[in-house]
Amino acid sequence: DAGVIQSPRHEVTEMGQEVTLRCKPISGHDYLFWYRQTMMRGLELLIYFNNNVPIDDSGMPEDRFSAKMPNASFSTLKIQPSEPRDSAVYFCASSFRIHEAFFGQGTRLTVV
Amino acid sequence: AQSVAQPEDQVNVAEGNPLTVKCTYSVSGNPYLFWYVQYPNRGLQFLLKYITGDNLVKGSYGFEAEFNKSQTSFHLKKPSALVSDSALYFCAGRDASGGSDIPTFGRGTSLIVHP
Repeated sequence: DAGVIQSPRHEVTEMGQEVTLRCKPISGHDYLFWYRQTMMRGLELLIYFNNNVPIDDSGMPEDRFSAKMPNASFSTLKIQPSEPRDSAVYFCASSFRIHEAFFGQGTRLTVV
Repeated sequence: AQSVAQPEDQVNVAEGNPLTVKCTYSVSGNPYLFWYVQYPNRGLQFLLKYITGDNLVKGSYGFEAEFNKSQTSFHLKKPSALVSDSALYFCAGRDASGGSDIPTFGRGTSLIVHP
């Protein structure tokens, strides 16, 4: 397996624009997590899914953030509208049950 | 509630010396503990985990961790540090008996190994 695949690796966008981050988890994994990492706040869990169902989205900062998992092999994290304070590295991770997680390479988002 | 603490933001060690990165945990039941490493511009990589059994757990790249129930600690160790070990290290933990609990991550410790 190629591991968790995220796209794009880098995204630069203007404030107010919609941003969509994509994730393909490892086949067979039933948990999918979205994290955000910044110097100030460290690693934050935004939302996680179990068997494609969102379980806990309490970490999603605002209504501008939304996440979907339409099937077991794909998830998106959308920010609309984007703001400069959303600039961060966003990670997707997957795991089988709640064992060790496998992280993607991340998407570095810059909102100008 | 569960929590994981990494009391040191940064650890400095000379190459060839032993290293320790500290982690303490607080869970209501039996702990399920993990260590991850993050190299620059990369995602976190799993190093090792403790579920049950031997208190000394061996993992990737020569790392090991010692589980200490009385001190509620799970420190990461390596007998001889390499410059290439310089990275950000994360401890994570959850209640093993809590079927739906997901791991809580510490804030991370930056390890710097000097040549």
